[in-house]
Amino acid sequence: DAKTTQPNSMESNEEEPVHLPCNHSTISGTDYIHWYRQLPSQGPEYVIHGLTSNVNNRMASLAIAEDRKSSTLILHRATLRDAAVYYCILRDVSDSKIIFGKGTRLHILP
Amino acid sequence: KAGVTQTPRYLIKTRGQQVTLSCSPISGHRSVSWYQQTPGQGLQFLFEYFSETQRNKGNFPGRFSGRQFSNSRSEMNVSTLELGDSALYLCASSLGEPGNTIYFGEGSWLTVV
Repeated sequence: DAKTTQPNSMESNEEEPVHLPCNHSTISGTDYIHWYRQLPSQGPEYVIHGLTSNVNNRMASLAIAEDRKSSTLILHRATLRDAAVYYCILRDVSDSKIIFGKGTRLHILP
Repeated sequence: KAGVTQTPRYLIKTRGQQVTLSCSPISGHRSVSWYQQTPGQGLQFLFEYFSETQRNKGNFPGRFSGRQFSNSRSEMNVSTLELGDSALYLCASSLGEPGNTIYFGEGSWLTVV
């Protein structure tokens, strides 16, 4: 399975933008980039996904490098509720399972 | 609409016992998968069911099993419990077609003593 590399932890101030990086140098042409987050004591929550183009939704934006070897999840204005573990995942278009890495623990400072 | 529902949320079992966990997927979803989360191993895929058939399987011993019913509800069973089976067990559902988004429940916390 293709792997991703994320920083173990990051800190950000409340009400500021947060950029969460992810490296995936072995990505294949049929891998989608998915982001999930897991708040304390909850199951993972879908955030966003994309293939080649940048994507936006009500939760976040996903910026994908032109060579697709890296991507960045952007939270435009962090709140305390965004404190969670964020997982960057590669998932083949035909795959029905998710292989999770260790993710990035995001701390939000008030 | 209702999300993925798991029962029970918390349970304590003794070594050697067996346990059954239940999952009700989002209405209309035909794929149900199960994951185990522990502090040491993180989130690991157990298996996936689609239309009552196991479609995908992770790397877990045969003590871990599951099934899916005609209404897409699913159960997973762990027999001969070991201390190391203490974990958060997560159920997830999707429509079941390639690329469909997978949605998770809040999990069942199992403690083996």
